[in-house]
Amino acid sequence: QVQLQESGPGLVKPSETLSLTCTVSGDSMSSYYWSWIRQPPGKGLEWIGYIYYDGSTHYNPSLKSRVTMSLDTSKNQFSLRLSPVTAADTAVYYCARDITAEGSYYYYMDVWGEGTTVTVSS
Amino acid sequence: DIQMTQSPSSLSAFVGDRVTITCRARQSISSYLNWYQQKPGKAPKLLIYAASSLQSGVPSRFSGSGSGTDFTLTISSLQPEDFATYYCQQSYSTPRTFGLGTKVEIK
Repeated sequence: QVQLQESGPGLVKPSETLSLTCTVSGDSMSSYYWSWIRQPPGKGLEWIGYIYYDGSTHYNPSLKSRVTMSLDTSKNQFSLRLSPVTAADTAVYYCARDITAEGSYYYYMDVWGEGTTVTVSS
Repeated sequence: DIQMTQSPSSLSAFVGDRVTITCRARQSISSYLNWYQQKPGKAPKLLIYAASSLQSGVPSRFSGSGSGTDFTLTISSLQPEDFATYYCQQSYSTPRTFGLGTKVEIK
């Protein structure tokens, strides 16, 4: 059974860099997209972007200038960097597997990490 | 970006009630519509994908319908464990976008 686990600092100073890693266990990273999603306190879900197993990326235009995603298939990990951060980046950050139904182009996020809270504050 | 509008934003219902949540896309998204359930302090959980396909392990009281711009999530008989917030999400194009959520509370 596939499991995802986010890790990284829970507190980041304004203007600095938020760095998170998602570790994938129970399956290979091949042939899937891997997404990052965030949720500010008391608010809804915002898709940050995804990275494909070949390293290609697609970011939300609202964050594109500040986001970098990468992956290390040898470690079964993918990462998010967001810089520079402000208080508006305070949120729970989730990683998720983005998969298609076999034989279709219907994408959906079927496995999620438990989320990690990141607070931006000095 | 494709804006997703959910209604209502919240509802109160009794155990056993039939509950319907609607989601409207600003443009046609065919059947590229997913539904998630989120409980407080937990990650979202996939319920329905491709508008009407039930994710493995999800109880059959959950169902989805619709195509184009209008979609519904129906819970045929609300159970205590169903009290949560429900989100629709389109996967027709990037950026993926979510509705603002519908909170289902106990009456």
